[in-house]
Amino acid sequence: AQTVTQSQPEMSVQEAETVTLSCTYDTSESDYYLFWYKQPPSRQMILVIRQEAYKQQNATENRFSVNFQKAAKSFSLKISDSQLGDAAMYFCAYRSNFGNEKLTFGTGTRLTIIP
Amino acid sequence: DTGVSQNPRHKITKRGQNVTFRCDPISEHNRLYWYRQTLGQGPEFLTYFQNEAQLEKSRLLSDRFSAERPKGSFSTLEIQRTEQGDSAMYLCASSPEGDRGVYEQFFGPGTRLTVL
Repeated sequence: AQTVTQSQPEMSVQEAETVTLSCTYDTSESDYYLFWYKQPPSRQMILVIRQEAYKQQNATENRFSVNFQKAAKSFSLKISDSQLGDAAMYFCAYRSNFGNEKLTFGTGTRLTIIP
Repeated sequence: DTGVSQNPRHKITKRGQNVTFRCDPISEHNRLYWYRQTLGQGPEFLTYFQNEAQLEKSRLLSDRFSAERPKGSFSTLEIQRTEQGDSAMYLCASSPEGDRGVYEQFFGPGTRLTVL
């Protein structure tokens, strides 16, 4: 079974600064997807960024980028120019590409933005 | 609003009662998922539908839990004889059937269940 570990329960960053959230995962599969989801307080979860394991190039979405290290099974999220609206729980998630549709989530990192 | 909707948003019930939640996916999304999220944890997969067929169930889904998706549209999740351990946020998500790499799951706002 796949597992996802987020070792930082809480992180904080000054507004306009850069912060990196860590995620590691365990799998024996070679083909899979990784995701970062954002869950603002009392609001629904939204996708921030995704990475296909077969792609070596790290995904980027505006201020959000990932550092995908397949051999190390590491998938960190970097948020540049942090904004107050980035304050939320961030979840790392794994999805197999072998017929199993479910997302396996980590326990999350609560990100606080300091004005 | 064309997002995933869930009703009710909050449900308080007494132990032993039955509860039913509804999820309306994004129109034309043929895949629908249920997750459970307890305080301080990430969502945990419960079950998954492709159209009206329930294709996978987690071991977390005990005999007291049942989910349906008649006609491949909305879905219901019923919990019978609720227990205090069932208190959680129940999340629904939907996704379209797409080409390789298009697997975003769109989440609803959730139903928060409190069992007294």
